[in-house]
Amino acid sequence: DAGVIQSPRHEVTEMGQEVTLRCKPISGHDYLFWYRQTMMRGLELLIYFNNNVPIDDSGMPEDRFSAKMPNASFSTLKIQPSEPRDSAVYFCASSSGFATEAFFGQGTRLTVV
Amino acid sequence: AQSVTQPDIHITVSEGASLELRCNYSYGATPYLFWYVQSPGQGLQLLLKYFSGDTLVQGIKGFEAEFKRSQSSFNLRKPSVHWSDAAEYFCAVGARYGGSQGNLIFGKGTKLSVKP
Repeated sequence: DAGVIQSPRHEVTEMGQEVTLRCKPISGHDYLFWYRQTMMRGLELLIYFNNNVPIDDSGMPEDRFSAKMPNASFSTLKIQPSEPRDSAVYFCASSSGFATEAFFGQGTRLTVV
Repeated sequence: AQSVTQPDIHITVSEGASLELRCNYSYGATPYLFWYVQSPGQGLQLLLKYFSGDTLVQGIKGFEAEFKRSQSSFNLRKPSVHWSDAAEYFCAVGARYGGSQGNLIFGKGTKLSVKP
């Protein structure tokens, strides 16, 4: 397996624009996590899914953020409208069961100008 | 809810010296515990994990960690640091019970620098 695949690797967008980050988890994994990493706040869990169902979205900062998992092999994190304070590295991770190793993607570095 | 504290933001050690990175957790029961490493521009890679049993766990790259229930700690150690160990290290806790099963909470990380 190629591991967790995130796209794009880098995204630069203007304030107010919609941004969509994509993630393909490892085949067979039934947990998927979205994290945001910043210098100030470290690594924050935004939302996680189990069997495509959102389990905990309490980390989603605002209504501008939304995440979907339409099937077991794809998830999106959308920010609409984007703001400069959303600039961060966004990681997707997947695992084969709770409390097992989470495999991380390479991340998407988002810059909102 | 579980939480993780890594009290050291940045540590510098000399190559060949021993290393200990601290991690304290808060959780109502024995959690699952992990250490991850992140190299610049990369995602996180698992170093080791504790689920149950022997409280001293061995990981990759010569790292080990000891779970101490009485101190709510899971410190990471390495007897001799190599220059390639320079990276950021994250401790994480996973919930065993309740509605947050599967949730992984990370500490803020400790950045390790290695002096030649």
